[in-house]
Amino acid sequence: GAVVSQHPSWVICKSGTSVKIECRSLDFQATTMFWYRQFPKQSLMLMATSNEGSKATYEQGVEKDKFLINHASLTLSTLTVTSAHPEDSSFYICSASTAYEKLFFGSGTQLSVL
Amino acid sequence: DQQVKQNSPSLSVQEGRISILNCDYTNSMFDYFLWYKKYPAEGPTFLISISSIKDKNEDGRFTVFLNKSAKHLSLHIVPSQPGDSAVYFCAASAQGGTASKLTFGTGTRLQVTL
Repeated sequence: GAVVSQHPSWVICKSGTSVKIECRSLDFQATTMFWYRQFPKQSLMLMATSNEGSKATYEQGVEKDKFLINHASLTLSTLTVTSAHPEDSSFYICSASTAYEKLFFGSGTQLSVL
Repeated sequence: DQQVKQNSPSLSVQEGRISILNCDYTNSMFDYFLWYKKYPAEGPTFLISISSIKDKNEDGRFTVFLNKSAKHLSLHIVPSQPGDSAVYFCAASAQGGTASKLTFGTGTRLQVTL
């Protein structure tokens, strides 16, 4: 199946710093990428939908100025958590889709903010 | 408000027997349902899906049943194999039969024992 690469796998940062997470589709062009977040014992929650070359669409309750999403090419989307705080500590995972029939997920990034 | 619920956090089944994973939903607008499997340190991988116009879809050892009146779906794995041990997520979409904007359940950890 298609491969989606997500980096880093885990990151620890100090409160107030920014963290960038990359999501790449390695063997297909992803016109749409999705960013999810999962807190412990909760389900994956969609944060935003990212379309190549346009602004991301954020779900209700997700701060667009805090979670910056860039989808500059058909194979790369980035999520930047700006001025991270401990409550942002979570598991972030991206997925990519071509024809909306299936989603291919990255392996996720565990963010810990101290 | 948890629109997709997987009430069993874990399930243990003997090798060769049937595994039945359940999922309930509350949003009557959902028209496409998917099951994903997730191994540790990996992203979810697509397993099987079903459209709301069907009540059953089968793919090898995996069968998904949909009961729209009860807003319930289940995944049957027969026969269960040790390699099936993973976390299984139920997901639903209200986007006209596509896999975009998925709402996930919290997952059920399946352990297949020898």
